[in-house]
Amino acid sequence: AQSVTQPDIHITVSEGASLELRCNYSYGATPYLFWYVQSPGQGLQLLLKYFSGDTLVQGIKGFEAEFKRSQSSFNLRKPSVHWSDAAEYFCAVGTTLSGGYNKLIFGAGTRLAVHP
Amino acid sequence: SQTIHQWPATLVQPVGSPLSLECTVEGTSNPNLYWYRQAAGRGLQLLFYSVGIGQISSEVPQNLSASRPQDRQFILSSKKLLLSDSGFYLCAWSGLENSPLHFGNGTRLTVT
Repeated sequence: AQSVTQPDIHITVSEGASLELRCNYSYGATPYLFWYVQSPGQGLQLLLKYFSGDTLVQGIKGFEAEFKRSQSSFNLRKPSVHWSDAAEYFCAVGTTLSGGYNKLIFGAGTRLAVHP
Repeated sequence: SQTIHQWPATLVQPVGSPLSLECTVEGTSNPNLYWYRQAAGRGLQLLFYSVGIGQISSEVPQNLSASRPQDRQFILSSKKLLLSDSGFYLCAWSGLENSPLHFGNGTRLTVT
């Protein structure tokens, strides 16, 4: 069965420091992978997606993620964190089932705190 | 461009009362529609999805139901709320072929 693991529940970094959020997935075929960000009390915003091709994908807000098939990972990175990046981040793996239904399985999320 | 609207933003309801949360999508046709619940400190749980008008599939048995009376309208309902129905409810839409989900701003439901 497909699954997504985000090993870090909470991460705290200093403003200006680099960031890496980990995501590991379990999926039998080529996965479709996503990272979302959620600010408190808000919905989820798509940061980036990987479908195929270049394994390093660029997203919004200066984020990037690298797909590593050998490690079943899709880690999210940012070279310099801003205080406004404090939020919860969700990794998800997706597939299309019969009838065109897109099923996304989400990780439990990583809450990011940014110290000034 | 496509937009998704969800209301109300917050709702406090007593146990045993009915529920109706509404979600509408603009700027696209025949979207896939989804209802997710996010309990405090937990991830997202898919409740229902719909690939067309009147077509509803449930992921987990529960006290809730969903309906899709129009192409771009998705409604989450309950006849009698339970305390355990409290949570943050998110509506989302997607296109076909593994396109990402796009979420509304959510409804915070507190059952007292």
